Amino acid sequence: QKEVEQNSGPLSVPEGAIASLNCTYSDRVSQSFFWYRQYSGKSPELIMSIYSNGDKEDGRFTAQLNKASQYVSLLIRDSQPSDSATYLCAVNSQSGGSYIPTFGRGTSLIVHP
Amino acid sequence: DTEVTQTPKHLVMGMTNKKSLKCEQHMGHRAMYWYKQKAKKPPELMFVYSYEKLSINESVPSRFSPECPNSSLLNLHLHALQPEDSALYLCASSPDAETQYFGPGTRLLVL
Repeated sequence: QKEVEQNSGPLSVPEGAIASLNCTYSDRVSQSFFWYRQYSGKSPELIMSIYSNGDKEDGRFTAQLNKASQYVSLLIRDSQPSDSATYLCAVNSQSGGSYIPTFGRGTSLIVHP
Repeated sequence: DTEVTQTPKHLVMGMTNKKSLKCEQHMGHRAMYWYKQKAKKPPELMFVYSYEKLSINESVPSRFSPECPNSSLLNLHLHALQPEDSALYLCASSPDAETQYFGPGTRLLVL
């Protein structure tokens, strides 16, 4: 059973701070990793994808991947109240010719003014 | 058109009813997915279609029946559901069979 672990939170940070969200995964051969944001009552929305070790930056978001440690993280700089949501980590594993995504339980982020 | 659409937004059905959920995308994506999501839980993969062929069926009960009539359309036919099947049903599509773009979902209540 492939597992993706996230701290469910809530993670509470003040406005303007850096929010750090973490995820570990069990399948050592996974090659693709994703962060999705889900507002309450809405569907998940893709924020970042990362495939190689190291950092990938997109605006206020930075994804970090360490395959040796089986660890992927998401940093949100200058956090805003509108960033308050659940952040889902997803890891793809190959099965035959298809990829099967496994989602973590999600981390609830609260950014307070 | 850069979005995935789903209809209906909400559905209430009895345990003896037959209904269908519809999902549509016009982005030319090759893969389409059905997920089920319960409150405060992550999405659970149900089915994957790749090039209009069912490639993944995650041991879903037969009361859920997927159909992919063409590359833009994905249906989920529902029959004899149970109250525990009440959930948010999400459709997603992918250009590369990896990155997922989700529709808004259908919120289903089974009475």
